[in-house]
Amino acid sequence: GAVVSQHPSRVICKSGTSVKIECRSLDFQATTMFWYRQFPKQSLMLMATSNEGSKATYEQGVEKDKFLINHASLTLSTLTVTSAHPEDSSFYICSAQGLAHNEQFFGPGTRLTVL
Amino acid sequence: GEDVEQSLFLSVREGDSSVINCTYTDSSSTYLYWYKQEPGAGLQLLTYIFSNMDMKQDQRLTVLLNKKDKHLSLRIADTQTGDSAIYFCAESIGGQNFVFGPGTRLSVLP
Repeated sequence: GAVVSQHPSRVICKSGTSVKIECRSLDFQATTMFWYRQFPKQSLMLMATSNEGSKATYEQGVEKDKFLINHASLTLSTLTVTSAHPEDSSFYICSAQGLAHNEQFFGPGTRLTVL
Repeated sequence: GEDVEQSLFLSVREGDSSVINCTYTDSSSTYLYWYKQEPGAGLQLLTYIFSNMDMKQDQRLTVLLNKKDKHLSLRIADTQTGDSAIYFCAESIGGQNFVFGPGTRLSVLP
């Protein structure tokens, strides 16, 4: 099946710094990738939809200036959490839409801890 | 808006069958999914069903869809300890706008 990787898997940073998370589709091209946030013991919350070569579409309540998304190629999307604060600590999961369009393949997630 | 609901917890004994239930509200959903999430990991697609089907079987997994009642279930036969995880039900319209349920935490007791 399709494989999606994320890097890093875990990151700890100081408050006020920026953190970049990469999402890669390893064996297929993904014109659309999604970024989710998951709080402990909760479901996934869609943050934004990332389309290759165009601006990301953010869900209501998600600050686009704080969560910068770049989908520079058909296999790579990045999420940058700018000026991170402790409340940004969470599990961030990306997914990539397969060629069949009805499937989403998820990355393993990145656990961000902001001190 | 769309909503997907699941019971939060399920405990079964090893070797028994597990049935995880899900209800959804969007009648225009075209695909319904079951994902598995193990601790600290991303989501793994287990199976999905197109809305014009009422059943899909894949090895130990059986998905039943009652479109009239907007009810989806996942049956795991011969449940093993490795099946312990959180199972998310999700719906989409044509592969867009995925909506996830809260997840059902399945505990398999020896």
